[in-house]
Amino acid sequence: AQTVTQSQPEMSVQEAETVTLSCTYDTSESDYYLFWYKQPPSRQMILVIRQEAYKQQNATENRFSVNFQKAAKSFSLKISDSQLGDAAMYFCAYRSGSNDYKLSFGAGTTVTVRA
Amino acid sequence: EAQVTQNPRYLITVTGKKLTVTCSQNMNHEYMSWYRQDPGLGLRQIYYSMNVEVTDKGDVPEGYKVSRKEKRNFPLILESPSPNQTSLYFCASMTSGSPGELFFGEGSRLTVL
Repeated sequence: AQTVTQSQPEMSVQEAETVTLSCTYDTSESDYYLFWYKQPPSRQMILVIRQEAYKQQNATENRFSVNFQKAAKSFSLKISDSQLGDAAMYFCAYRSGSNDYKLSFGAGTTVTVRA
Repeated sequence: EAQVTQNPRYLITVTGKKLTVTCSQNMNHEYMSWYRQDPGLGLRQIYYSMNVEVTDKGDVPEGYKVSRKEKRNFPLILESPSPNQTSLYFCASMTSGSPGELFFGEGSRLTVL
């Protein structure tokens, strides 16, 4: 199984500020996909953003953007202009580019937003 | 509305009492899977199914069974639950192709006493 590591169990950010969540992964593959999921207190898993490894351009979705460093096997998530609704647990996930539908998840980072 | 539906959402049971968590999706997805979520461990795959009558073990299959008799349904069976199976369980289905999108159910909180 692929290893996905989120080294920050918890992060706190002031409302309107920026927070960056780190994620590293271990793989020998060149073709794969990376995801960030958000899990608010409702427990629902919500896809935030995804990145194809063959794309050099970093993915962006509104206030969410990633810094994908393929050589370093790093995939950090930046949340800009943090809002109270961003408070949640965030999971980084990896999917092989082969015909394998499995996602491997990190342990998660809990984000707290201070008003 | 496209969705994955799990039941029950909450369950407290006792050691050894067989239980089934149902999962149904209305998106005609071929791929379905079960994950368990535990603090500090993230989500770990229990079983998955690539299509009807095709199932395979994930990373933590011990103590669980699944079946896939119909495309839309993928129940998770705990034949003899034990306290270490107390967890939050998610069923998910995925669109075909790449990168694909994983659709999750709302989760089932299971407590085994």
